[in-house]
Amino acid sequence: DIQMTQSPSSLSASVGDTVTITCQASQDCRTSLSWYQQKAGKAPRLLIHDVSILESGVPPRFSGRGYGTQFFLTITDFQPDDFGSYFCQQYDDLHLTFGGGTKVDIK
Amino acid sequence: QVELVQSGPEVKKPGASVKVSCRASNYFFGDYSISWVRQTPGQELEWVGWISGLNGNTNYADQFRDRSTMTTDTSTNTAYLELRSLTSDDTAVYYCARDDNKYAPHYFGPWGQGTLVTVSS
Repeated sequence: DIQMTQSPSSLSASVGDTVTITCQASQDCRTSLSWYQQKAGKAPRLLIHDVSILESGVPPRFSGRGYGTQFFLTITDFQPDDFGSYFCQQYDDLHLTFGGGTKVDIK
Repeated sequence: QVELVQSGPEVKKPGASVKVSCRASNYFFGDYSISWVRQTPGQELEWVGWISGLNGNTNYADQFRDRSTMTTDTSTNTAYLELRSLTSDDTAVYYCARDDNKYAPHYFGPWGQGTLVTVSS
């Protein structure tokens, strides 16, 4: 199975900051990479699929980039509603795997 | 809008089995598939497996293959996950999620609300 390693595991951000989360895959995932946001007590919410395609309704301050083994989620102009946990997930391999998550709180 | 409604919380003893349901609405069931994902108390997300809404084909994560069964009932647009030989390590919130692709596991749009399964003696 492809191992997904996220960094950092946690961070604090202020309103207006630019935040970047990294996801590294143990082998080539090409462009089969998605990102999810999760709030406490709620199910994850799809933000981005195929590395950089924003799901409908997701604010454009969220963006994704990368290819192969290195992927990035960037939040520009961080807003109070952006706190929560973020997970990457690969689907290049038929056995799907998630990153360990990045917890983002408000500074 | 698309909705996935899961069955209620379960408390089971070690060695028992649990069956969680996920009823889908407001989309054509056969055009998508369902994946099951669990979230451990440590907040880790683990993919359990995938079932096609089109033809019932399945794909299981290796660690769940021998003791889990996923099924669908297309007459009620409901997916089921059965997990057997439960241990305390199976204590988790189990989610169903609509998978974007009906031929192979991909990524997940709508999710169910989650079902807490607690395994305790």
